[in-house]
Amino acid sequence: AQSVTQLDSQVPVFEEAPVELRCNYSSSVSVYLFWYVQYPNQGLQLLLKYLSGSTLVKGINGFEAEFNKSQTSFHLRKPSVHISDTAEYFCAVSGRDTGRRALTFGSGTRLQVQP
Amino acid sequence: GAVVSQHPSRVICKSGTSVKIECRSLDFQATTMFWYRQFPKQSLMLMATSNEGSKATYEQGVEKDKFLINHASLTLSTLTVTSAHPEDSSFYICSARDSLGGKHTEAFFGQGTRLTVV
Repeated sequence: AQSVTQLDSQVPVFEEAPVELRCNYSSSVSVYLFWYVQYPNQGLQLLLKYLSGSTLVKGINGFEAEFNKSQTSFHLRKPSVHISDTAEYFCAVSGRDTGRRALTFGSGTRLQVQP
Repeated sequence: GAVVSQHPSRVICKSGTSVKIECRSLDFQATTMFWYRQFPKQSLMLMATSNEGSKATYEQGVEKDKFLINHASLTLSTLTVTSAHPEDSSFYICSARDSLGGKHTEAFFGQGTRLTVV
């Protein structure tokens, strides 16, 4: 079984400032890791994913995340945010085994970019 | 990229009636689709896994008879909320993975359905 913890429910930040959204996970098996963004009343859009290889993953819209196995973390970062980045962000994991292919989501972090 | 289409996007129904939500993969085949429920300002909770040609697998605590799932083809899964009550009001989201893409491919999500039971 897997679980995901997003420590910050809300992160206010000024436009053009850097931001980090934290994600920690626990799992009894190796996992794949994902970050999704959700705009109001919409589905989820994939920002980036870690499957294997380089621990630094670059995604869309200037976001990147780093997989840290020893700390079981997958924090999302952006060096300079825009107003349009205001949304809900979800970290998710799925087990590498074939038995469970659904995603387990964290509780979400609301990123509020202020002018 | 791959697209998952979910309809309707918003529905209001009277208490006691049933509502059907459709989830279609538009340009890929999905032997497995997933149905999630999201309460306001909360995360997505997996309700069930829809398997083409076989019975759905429900998560613990989800009523099978209330949330009927049918996955009759490789591109369509439906969720029917039967005898809906106000507590069923929620945001329902489906997702699908490309069956030919391997087990680690990303899951594509529908736009979600806002269900309000009055």
